[in-house]
Amino acid sequence: QKEVEQNSGPLSVPEGAIASLNCTYSDRVSQSFFWYRQYSGKSPELIMSIYSNGDKEDGRFTAQLNKASQYVSLLIRDSQPSDSATYLCAVEGSNYKLTFGKGTLLTVNP
Amino acid sequence: DVKVTQSSRYLVKRTGEKVFLECVQDMDHENMFWYRQDPGLGLRLIYFSYDVKMKEKGDIPEGYSVSREKKERFSLILESASTNQTSMYLCASSLSAVLYGYTFGSGTRLTVV
Repeated sequence: QKEVEQNSGPLSVPEGAIASLNCTYSDRVSQSFFWYRQYSGKSPELIMSIYSNGDKEDGRFTAQLNKASQYVSLLIRDSQPSDSATYLCAVEGSNYKLTFGKGTLLTVNP
Repeated sequence: DVKVTQSSRYLVKRTGEKVFLECVQDMDHENMFWYRQDPGLGLRLIYFSYDVKMKEKGDIPEGYSVSREKKERFSLILESASTNQTSMYLCASSLSAVLYGYTFGSGTRLTVV
């Protein structure tokens, strides 16, 4: 059974700080990794994808991938209250589908 | 942008009813999925389909069936609704999960009473 593990949180950070969200996965052959943001009562929204070792930056978001350690993370710089949401890590499980972690609840305090 | 439309945002049904949840996507995606999401349990895959008339069971197919007669439409059927099927149901579609991930619909909050 392929597994994706995330700390459920809640992770609480002050406004303007860096929020760091972490994810580990069990399947060594996974090639694609995604971060979704889900606001309370809403559906998940894709915010980042990463396929190669290293960092990928998009605005205030940076995804980091280390395949040797089977570890992927999401950094949110200058966190805003509007970033308060559950963040889901998703890992390619087969050619058709993703395996999701249970998500980390992030709260950004004004 | 890809649009995935779920026909109902909120639904209340009685125990034993047959329930249909509809999902339509507008981007000619071959792959479509049905998940349910419950607090503490995360997203759990019910069924998926990678082509018209093709379907495969996910992790929790019991009590559910699906239909995909047209490429753009993927329906989830609760044969005889039970209270333990009260949940948020999410439909997703994808051209290639490996390359692009999924696009989710807005979800259907189903309550079975």
